[in-house]
Amino acid sequence: AQKVTQAQTEISVVEKEDVTLDCVYETRDTTYYLFWYKQPPSGELVFLIRRNSFDEQNEISGRYSWNFQKSTSSFNFTITASQVVDSAVYFCALSERGTGGFKTIFGAGTRLFVKA
Amino acid sequence: KAGVTQTPRYLIKTRGQQVTLSCSPISGHRSVSWYQQTPGQGLQFLFEYFSETQRNKGNFPGRFSGRQFSNSRSEMNVSTLELGDSALYLCASSFSTSTDTQYFGPGTRLTVL
Repeated sequence: AQKVTQAQTEISVVEKEDVTLDCVYETRDTTYYLFWYKQPPSGELVFLIRRNSFDEQNEISGRYSWNFQKSTSSFNFTITASQVVDSAVYFCALSERGTGGFKTIFGAGTRLFVKA
Repeated sequence: KAGVTQTPRYLIKTRGQQVTLSCSPISGHRSVSWYQQTPGQGLQFLFEYFSETQRNKGNFPGRFSGRQFSNSRSEMNVSTLELGDSALYLCASSFSTSTDTQYFGPGTRLTVL
């Protein structure tokens, strides 16, 4: 069965610190997709990144970067020079083809507090 | 392009009642997925619809059902409400499959008294 583990329940940092959110996944499929979403206090999930299992290139988008390592089944997310507006819950998700079609499983989320 | 819209945003019901939630996907998106979010269970997949057909279903009782219309709009229904059904219900739309990027609506906050 597919599974997504975000071991860090809450992280608290001071503004301008770098912070890494961990995500470890389990799957038997060779074809799967990984996602990160941000959920600010307003409640709406905001898409951050999508990565397929054949693309292990790391990605950088402004202050955000993602490190995908199939060897360790990890897809970690780093925020550089964090800001107060980064405070939110961040979810890692895995989508793979199951018996009934593709399903997306979300991790439990990591709540990030960025203090001024 | 307008985002995913969900109505109503807030709902209060009592046990035993039924409720219908609505979701309008992004124009051109044909896949709609529903999720339940609670503090205890996190985000859990309910079901996915594509071209008016349920393509996938999570582990929820039959009290939870849904449908999709020809314009891709979707509704989900919960019958015989229980206290434990209190949650944020999120709808997500994607172009074709749930492996495409899913864009989420603001959710419907359901409170069952």
